[in-house]
Amino acid sequence: AQSVTQPDIHITVSEGASLELRCNYSYGATPYLFWYVQSPGQGLQLLLKYFSGDTLVQGIKGFEAEFKRSQSSFNLRKPSVHWSDAAEYFCAVVSADKLIFGTGTRLQVFP
Amino acid sequence: NAGVTQTPKFQVLKTGQSMTLQCAQDMNHNSMYWYRQDPGMGLRLIYYSASEGTTDKGEVPNGYNVSRLNKREFSLRLESAAPSQTSVYFCASGRATYEQYFGPGTRLTVT
Repeated sequence: AQSVTQPDIHITVSEGASLELRCNYSYGATPYLFWYVQSPGQGLQLLLKYFSGDTLVQGIKGFEAEFKRSQSSFNLRKPSVHWSDAAEYFCAVVSADKLIFGTGTRLQVFP
Repeated sequence: NAGVTQTPKFQVLKTGQSMTLQCAQDMNHNSMYWYRQDPGMGLRLIYYSASEGTTDKGEVPNGYNVSRLNKREFSLRLESAAPSQTSVYFCASGRATYEQYFGPGTRLTVT
C-alpha cells in the first residue's frame, strides 16, 4: 500500500522568504498525490494535485509542487511566503482507493 | 452553496455517553467520509460511504458506527464515548477518492 512521509514536523520562515515542504511517497506505480492546507480551526483545503503528465504542478495561493520519481518526492514550494500562509500542510496519496495522509508540517511565519 | 457542513462544532462528553455527529453536503456527491485528526498522526479514515445505502470501514472504525441517511447526509455515532476518542472529526464528500471536499470539523473532548 502507498504511504507518504513528511519529515518536517515544524518549519519557521520569515515573511517574504522562499518555502519548501518535503513529502516522500512509498514505492509503487505512479501515485495520485495531493497537498492540502489547514488554517487554524478550519477544515482542509486542496492546494494542488498530481495524477500524471507535467511533473511541475501549479496550485492555488501561489503554491507549486514537483513530482520527482527518482527521489520518490512531491515537495511543495512557494517563492515568497506571506503571513497568511501560516497553517498546517498535509501531503496525501491515494492507496487502495482511499486517501492516506502524512502527519503534517506546521508552518510558522515571522514578520 | 454551503459545501460540507458539520454539527456540532464543539462537544464535551463524559466517558460512556453517546452522541451523533452530523454531516451534510449540497454538492450532489456520491461518496462521503469520516476522518479523525490527532496531533502528530494526520487524518485517519474511520468510515466511508461510496454511495447511498453503502458504508465501509476505514483504518480506525472501532468504537464508531455510521449511517448514510440519504445522498446528502452521513452521520457518525459514538455509542459509548471513551477518552481515546477525544479528537477533531472531519467529514468530507466527493465524486471520487481523489476529489474530496472537507467540512470545518467537530472538536470532541471526552472526559
